[in-house]
Amino acid sequence: DAGVTQSPTHLIKTRGQQVTLRCSPISGHKSVSWYQQVLGQGPQFIFQYYEKEERGRGNFPDRFSARQFPNYSSELNVNALLLGDSALYLCASSLGTGFNEQFFGPGTRLTVL
Amino acid sequence: AQSVAQPEDQVNVAEGNPLTVKCTYSVSGNPYLFWYVQYPNRGLQFLLKYITGDNLVKGSYGFEAEFNKSQTSFHLKKPSALVSDSALYFCAVRDSSWGKFQFGAGTQVVVTP
Repeated sequence: DAGVTQSPTHLIKTRGQQVTLRCSPISGHKSVSWYQQVLGQGPQFIFQYYEKEERGRGNFPDRFSARQFPNYSSELNVNALLLGDSALYLCASSLGTGFNEQFFGPGTRLTVL
Repeated sequence: AQSVAQPEDQVNVAEGNPLTVKCTYSVSGNPYLFWYVQYPNRGLQFLLKYITGDNLVKGSYGFEAEFNKSQTSFHLKKPSALVSDSALYFCAVRDSSWGKFQFGAGTQVVVTP
C-alpha cells in the first residue's frame, strides 16, 4: 500500500509570495494533520482535519490555512511568506481519533529567500 | 497545557549495549504517548504508543517503552542497540482524542560499532 505522499518535495520561494503544499493520505485514513519542523527542533502542530472539518489548530498566524477535500487529501497554504517560514512541512494521516498513531509523509522542504 | 521534555540532546551507546532514550510529559488528563524515529531527510516513522493498559509497551524493531504515571515518564528502551538504530527519536503526547500532538525536541542516538 502507498504511504502518505506529499508534493512538491522541495520548493524555493521569495519573501511575500504564497505557497501551496499538497498531501494525500493513506487509503482509508480520514484525518490529516500538518506540522512544521524547523532544523534541530521537533515538529510543531499546525492543523488537523477530520472528515473535511478542522479539528485542531496550533499557534500559527492566520497566514497559514488549510483544507481537506472529499477524497481526504489536503492542502496547506501559506501567504506572505517570511524567512522564518523556511522549514520541513510534514503531513500525517491517521484513521481518526487520538488513539490512533499518525503516519507521516516524507515532507516538503520549503526555502524562503 | 501539555508539554514533553527529552532531557538529552544526544545519547551515545556502543553496539550491543542497552539503549535508553528519556521522555517526561505533562498533561491535564490521561496521556496518550507515542515514540517516533526520524532518519535523515525522511519523515517520522511510528515506533510504539501507550494508550491504556500494561505499562510496558512493545513496538517495532525491538523497541519497548515503560509508562510510569508517578514519574510522568515514558522512556524508550532497546536491550541491544544496532548501528542502524542511529537516528533522531521523538517522544509525543496527546491529552485527548482531538488534542494536538506535542512533540519533544528530539534525541539524537549514535550507536558506534
